[in-house]
Amino acid sequence: EAGVAQSPRYKIIEKRQSVAFWCNPISGHATLYWYQQILGQGPKLLIQFQNNGVVDDSQLPKDRFSAERLKGVDSTLKIQPAKLEDSAVYLCASSLSSSNEQFFGPGTRLTVL
Amino acid sequence: QKEVEQNSGPLSVPEGAIASLNCTYSDRGSQSFFWYRQYSGKSPELIMFIYSNGDKEDGRFTAQLNKASQYVSLLIRDSQPSDSATYLCAVTMNSGYSTLTFGKGTMLLVSP
Repeated sequence: EAGVAQSPRYKIIEKRQSVAFWCNPISGHATLYWYQQILGQGPKLLIQFQNNGVVDDSQLPKDRFSAERLKGVDSTLKIQPAKLEDSAVYLCASSLSSSNEQFFGPGTRLTVL
Repeated sequence: QKEVEQNSGPLSVPEGAIASLNCTYSDRGSQSFFWYRQYSGKSPELIMFIYSNGDKEDGRFTAQLNKASQYVSLLIRDSQPSDSATYLCAVTMNSGYSTLTFGKGTMLLVSP
């Protein structure tokens, strides 16, 4: 069974630029999550999708971050414009709707200069 | 604001010893508890989950939950150098599509 796929794996941008991350969950997983993990901290949930609907985006900085999952499968997370404090690893995870077990992708390491 | 607290470590143990990792949580409504292992530069992977008070064993790992004290722990018996990683504690409300709240993690170092 293929795992959660993410791209790119690394990205370096300057502040005020835009960036987008892509995630493809495990086949059949209806729930998809985006987390931000700053160095030395645990992952923090940014947004959770159930199929193509948003379940929880309470911690998403909506003035600069956006995410979509239009067809209920893969998803994109965008930051526009980026700030220095956005430097982090962005993790995508997926799970079956009936289970809380989440499987994480390899992450995208973002550096904002 | 739900909080999950862990000692950041590092916790250093010799090979073959028992490593004890601790976690406290602030929300009494928390229902499910998870331990994830994260190697440096890698993504978290689930080790164990526990829902009920008491102990749950899986191989060399034992999770312990005490809801009255709002405390969950992970014991690793016969620690190996390959166990050296950061261990993340996470909790959920387990109601519908609930979300994980993670602690900062405890770094474990197992010396040969």
